[in-house]
Formats: sequence, C-alpha cells, structure tokens
Amino acid sequence: AQKVTQAQTEISVVEKEDVTLDCVYETRDTTYYLFWYKQPPSGELVFLIRRNSFDEQNEISGRYSWNFQKSTSSFNFTITASQVVDSAVYFCALSEREGQAGTALIFGKGTTLSVSS
Amino acid sequence: DGGITQSPKYLFRKEGQNVTLSCEQNLNHDAMYWYRQDPGQGLRLIYYSQIVNDFQKGDIAEGYSVSREKKESFPLTVTSAQKNPTAFYLCASSSKIGRRTDTQYFGPGTRLTVL
Repeated sequence: AQKVTQAQTEISVVEKEDVTLDCVYETRDTTYYLFWYKQPPSGELVFLIRRNSFDEQNEISGRYSWNFQKSTSSFNFTITASQVVDSAVYFCALSEREGQAGTALIFGKGTTLSVSS
Repeated sequence: DGGITQSPKYLFRKEGQNVTLSCEQNLNHDAMYWYRQDPGQGLRLIYYSQIVNDFQKGDIAEGYSVSREKKESFPLTVTSAQKNPTAFYLCASSSKIGRRTDTQYFGPGTRLTVL
C-alpha cells in the first residue's frame, strides 16, 4: 500500500535559520510522482514542486531546495534563511502513474512550521 | 484570472440536513477532486472525476455524493448519512496528458460546521 510519512509534526525556528522538512514514502510502483504543497493560514494548498520518480536530480528554487533519494524513499524539503512568511503547514504527497489505481494523491499528515522574528 | 473557486467559504449545517458545496474551475482541466481535511490530518480523497458524467469513489465516500454534468463544475453534497461532517473541504483539478494526470491545483476550501 502507498503511504507518506512526515514524522515531524511541528517545527519552530527563528528567522534566518535553515530548516529541513522530512518526507518518507512507500510505494510498490516503479513510476510515481512526489509533490510538496504549502498550506498558509488562509487554508488554500499552494503547489510547490513535483518530481518524477525517474528524475533524482535535486532542485533549488530561490530559498527552497529539494533532495530526492530513491534509495531511502525520501523527498526532503529545505528552506534556507527562513522568514516569517514561511510559517505554514507543509504537505508531502505521492501519486502513482495513472493506471488501474486511478490518480489520487496520498498525503502525509503535514508538518507545521512556525518561524518567529 | 484562471483558477478554482469554492463557495461558500464557511457553511453551517444543522444535523439531518443535506448541504451542497460548490466547486468551479476555468482552467479547462479534465479531472476534478474533493478532499476532506480534519485538524492535524492530511487530506483524504472523497471523490474524483476524470471526465464529464463519470466519477469514482475515494477512500471516504460514504455519506457524500457528487455530480459532474459540466467540465467546469464538480459539486459535493454532504448528506445526513455522513456521521461527522465537520471539516475543511478542498476541491482540486488537474489536466490530463494521455492517460497521465498532471499536477493537482487546489481551491481555497469550504469550512463546514455542523451545529
């Protein structure tokens, strides 16, 4: 069965600290997609990144970076020099390639990040 | 502006009443989804639809119903059979590329409270 685990329930940091959010997944499929979403207090989920299981290159986007390692089934998210506006709940999600199983996203329970000034 | 709209933002329901949550998208996406979020929990799939006039049950479909009469619209009805409907409901949509579904984008959500 597919599963996404975000072991860190809550993280608190002070502005300008670096912070890494962990995501570990389980799937039997060889082709799948991994996602990170941000949910600010307003509630709407904001898409951050999508990664194909065949693409293990790390990605950097401004202060955000992602480390995908198939060997450990992990897709970790690092925020460099955190800011108060980064305070939100962050979700990691898994989607299999569409086939008999359909296209549902399987979400972790989320990590609440609080950045104080 | 292209996007997904959900209405109302807040909804209060008396026990025993059915209520319908609206979800509209103008992104020309084929697939639409409904998720439920409870405090401290991830999102759980209620229903999804990949084409008009067709939809599939998700993990927690009991007590809910949907329709997909138009590509742009995917309303969710929370029936009186749903035992614990108080939650935050999120609608999403995605395009399809052949048999593969693209990234899901989410609406702003509806917070339902049963009084």
